[in-house]
Amino acid sequence: NAGVTQTPKFQVLKTGQSMTLQCAQDMNHEYMSWYRQDPGMGLRLIHYSVGAGITDQGEVPNGYNVSRSTTEDFPLRLLSAAPSQTSVYFCASSYGPGFGEQYFGPGTRLTVT
Amino acid sequence: AQKVTQAQTEISVVEKEDVTLDCVYETRDTTYYLFWYKQPPSGELVFLIRRNSFDEQNEISGRYSWNFQKSTSSFNFTITASQVVDSAVYFCALSEAQSGNQFYFGTGTSLTVIP
Repeated sequence: NAGVTQTPKFQVLKTGQSMTLQCAQDMNHEYMSWYRQDPGMGLRLIHYSVGAGITDQGEVPNGYNVSRSTTEDFPLRLLSAAPSQTSVYFCASSYGPGFGEQYFGPGTRLTVT
Repeated sequence: AQKVTQAQTEISVVEKEDVTLDCVYETRDTTYYLFWYKQPPSGELVFLIRRNSFDEQNEISGRYSWNFQKSTSSFNFTITASQVVDSAVYFCALSEAQSGNQFYFGTGTSLTVIP
């Protein structure tokens, strides 16, 4: 199993550009989530999904969109990048909050200039 | 309100010292899980342990041990005889089986082990 994969690993954007961070898992997990990690602030939840076709907002959803058309994939879209979105982004998957730990992808380091 | 509190932002110890990382959580659920993750300088998040709310037995894994106390809502992590390779950021996390669909992470404790 590849586990949770994320692409790209690094990305530099200019303010106003859009892009999609890709996330895929091959563990048949229903629950997937996106976090951003900023210095001193730990992991903050952006969006999550409890299954295909179902998404919901986390703590910091503004400026990000998600969709979940398949169990395996959970892309995160930045519609109009801002310097405040410079961060490290982690995707994670699990059977669900009541069923055990999350498995994390390797992260995407995004810089917005 | 913060559901998971890691009050220690940074800790430095000298190699071979023992160190305890504190984690205090808040939940009204009777069924929940607690976790510890390690994030070494390379950046990935490494799962260390999961504990469910019905199992208060302390756990030991090599130099690592965890003390779960429901009475004080704490799930502390102790590293015995610390090594330089233990230098990392450690996160405590909580998930609730009934009242939510989210995992809650603390802000992390950065541990530096000085040789």
